Amino acid sequence: GQQLNQSPQSMFIQEGEDVSMNCTSSSIFNTWLWYKQDPGEGPVLLIALYKAGELTSNGRLTAQFGITRKDSFLNISASIPSDVGIYFCAGHFGQGGKLIFGQGTELSVKP
Amino acid sequence: KAGVTQTPRYLIKTRGQQVTLSCSPISGHRSVSWYQQTPGQGLQFLFEYFSETQRNKGNFPGRFSGRQFSNSRSEMNVSTLELGDSALYLCASSLQGTSYEQYFGPGTRLTVT
Repeated sequence: GQQLNQSPQSMFIQEGEDVSMNCTSSSIFNTWLWYKQDPGEGPVLLIALYKAGELTSNGRLTAQFGITRKDSFLNISASIPSDVGIYFCAGHFGQGGKLIFGQGTELSVKP
Repeated sequence: KAGVTQTPRYLIKTRGQQVTLSCSPISGHRSVSWYQQTPGQGLQFLFEYFSETQRNKGNFPGRFSGRQFSNSRSEMNVSTLELGDSALYLCASSLQGTSYEQYFGPGTRLTVT
């Protein structure tokens, strides 16, 4: 079945640093989404990507849909303490509402 | 506009019992998907409902079922609970069946003892 490999699994960075994480798959996806989840809460949608090569920003966050449609990355610039959480990539293919999720990247930011 | 709501937020059940979880989507959203989140398996798709019909189903046993009502509210049911069913159950809604931007609720934390 379709699987997403998300890396790194965890990151521990200093406040102000830039962060990069990515997802790769052996399968093609038509849509890539990036979510952030805080403890005890549901994932919050950060960015949605619909076209191969698309580069989209949301504040300090920038995400790209890979040209091959098999990968995506998320960058966070100038990290702040509230960026702490778990970031998930998710891919969609075909009809209906089934998303395939990566295993998550846990981000810790040291003030 | 209010977000996705799920009730209850926390639940403790005994092995062998059954449980029903409820989800109210964002107003105007017609698609509701359910996911199970565990530390070992991550986020896994259970099923999706659109216009009161199950449109997609994940690889879960038949003990997991769901339904959607005419107002788009959805329920999922787990019968004959097992210890391994302990998880965070998340509901997500999207505007229409062709929009894959899913918005999640806070989840229901189910503990099976």
